[in-house]
Parts: sequence; structure tokens; C-alpha cells
Amino acid sequence: DAGVIQSPRHEVTEMGQEVTLRCKPISGHNSLFWYRQTMMRGLELLIYFNNNVPIDDSGMPEDRFSAKMPNASFSTLKIQPSEPRDSAVYFCASSLDTRSGNTIYFGEGSWLTVV
Amino acid sequence: AQKVTQAQTEISVVEKEDVTLDCVYETRDTTYYLFWYKQPPSGELVFLIRRNSFDEQNEISGRYSWNFQKSTSSFNFTITASQVVDSAVYFCALRRSQGNLIFGKGTKLSVKP
Repeated sequence: DAGVIQSPRHEVTEMGQEVTLRCKPISGHNSLFWYRQTMMRGLELLIYFNNNVPIDDSGMPEDRFSAKMPNASFSTLKIQPSEPRDSAVYFCASSLDTRSGNTIYFGEGSWLTVV
Repeated sequence: AQKVTQAQTEISVVEKEDVTLDCVYETRDTTYYLFWYKQPPSGELVFLIRRNSFDEQNEISGRYSWNFQKSTSSFNFTITASQVVDSAVYFCALRRSQGNLIFGKGTKLSVKP
């Protein structure tokens, strides 16, 4: 079975450029999560969707970050304009739904470096 | 407030030693789930186990075992006869009802040959 698929796996971009990260959740999963991992802050939730609707975006750092889920099989996380402090690993994850008993499965991550 | 504490930042052992990774959590919910994930050097997050708040039975899976004690709000993870391939960062996490995962800071385990 295909897991959560993220692209790109690695991206190096210049400060000020727009970055778009993409995610395909596991088929049949209705909840999708975007996490960010940094050395300083560890793993932190940015936003999550249930049935394509954003439920909690309180973790989105600022207006430069936006996330969309136009359909059940695709989501994007966009950073515009990017800054060096956005350098991190961005994980997309999915679960059957938001009930706590459902395991959240992670993609392999998108490693972003902003220079 | 929901919180997960992994007090051990780094642990180093020699192959074949047993090692226990500690996890302490805080929550006011009566229904919640606890998880362990493994992050090997390649970077992906791999699900290891899920345990609900009403099931305090210990679980064993091969060389891995988990001890859940509600009285001390702990969910510790033991690797028996550690191997070099066990070297990774291990995360404990809490998921409340209708919520996302809250992670601890992780414990980096180094198993030396």
C-alpha cells in the first residue's frame, strides 16, 4: 500500500522565493496534517484538515505560510516569501479521521533549505 | 495543558545492552492515546505502537516492549538486546480526542558495535 507521498524531498531556494510543498495522503484517510521539524522547536503542528476543511491552523507561523486541500488526495503548503528561518523538515501526515485512536502516518518529509 | 516529556536527550549503549527510553505525559483528558515513533538517520518517521488510556497492559513485540503506567503518567519503551540498527531518535507522542499529535522532544539512541 502506498504511504503518504510528499514532494519535493529536498529543496534549496533563495530567500524571497516562493516554495510549494505537496502531499498526497493515504487513500481513504480523511485527516491530513502538516508538521515542521527543527532542532530548536522539535516537531510542531502547523495545520490540519479534516474532510478537506482546515480545522486548526493555529500553528501556522505567519501570513507567509498558507495551506490548501482542494480535494481528498492532495494538499499544498506554500511559503511566500521564504526566509532562512523557514529552513526545516516539513512532514505531511494522514489518518483515517481525527479520533485519537487512529494512527497518524507520516510521509518521508520535505527538507527545505532557504539561503 | 497537554505535554509530553522525554527527559533523556541522548543515550549511548553498546550492542546487546538493554535500554529503556522514558516518556512522561500530562493531560486532563480521560480518553487519549499514546504513541511511539522512530526516526532513523534517513529522516522518516516510523510508527511503532499505539496504546489507549484504558489499556494498561504491557506490550511486547520482538525485542521491543512498552510499559504504560497511568498512575505515574508514563509510557516507557524498552529495547532488549539492542542492535546498531536501533540507532535513531525515538519520539513519544500524545493524541487527545479529536486532536493532533503532541510530541516530546525525542531521545537520540546510539547503539555502538
